[in-house]
Amino acid sequence: AQSVTQLGSHVSVSEGALVLLRCNYSSSVPPYLFWYVQYPNQGLQLLLKYTSAATLVKGINGFEAEFKKSETSFHLTKPSAHMSDAAEYFCAPTPQGGKLIFGQGTELSVKP
Amino acid sequence: GAVVSQHPSRVICKSGTSVKIECRSLDFQATTMFWYRQFPKQSLMLMATSNEGSKATYEQGVEKDKFLINHASLTLSTLTVTSAHPEDSSFYICSARKGQGTDTQYFGPGTRLTVL
Repeated sequence: AQSVTQLGSHVSVSEGALVLLRCNYSSSVPPYLFWYVQYPNQGLQLLLKYTSAATLVKGINGFEAEFKKSETSFHLTKPSAHMSDAAEYFCAPTPQGGKLIFGQGTELSVKP
Repeated sequence: GAVVSQHPSRVICKSGTSVKIECRSLDFQATTMFWYRQFPKQSLMLMATSNEGSKATYEQGVEKDKFLINHASLTLSTLTVTSAHPEDSSFYICSARKGQGTDTQYFGPGTRLTVL
């Protein structure tokens, strides 16, 4: 069965620093992969989506993620953190069938 | 495009009463809608999948008689929490999908349910 691991439940960076949020999935079939962001007391907003068209996926707000099949990873990065990036981030692979399998989430804090 | 709304955003009710939460896709037709539950500082737990005009498919461990789901149209799904108890207090989030399979799910803003 598909599973996903987000390494680090909490990541703290300084404003302007690189953001790296890790996601590893486990599956014998390369899945589709999503990153969602959740601001406090809100629903989820789609950041980006991998659908095998390109291994480097660019999303909204300057985020991007690279699919690496050999490492079964789909890490999320942003070159320069903004205070407004502070939120909870969820990685979600989607095996055939369409259900999202959510990771446990990573809370990103941005220090001034 | 792809906006999903939920109503109400916040509800407080007494133990034993029933609460209905609406999920609407505002600018697209949703063939499938999903209902999730989220506890504080935790991930989303899928409760059920509903397809328009058919019965919802519930995840293991979710009581179908407790959480009634209706998907009467391509733009509206409702979740009714029947005979609510304090342990049902949670953040309920719906999502809607335009197409099939791996198409993107668009999420509503969530409903905070507090049962006293």
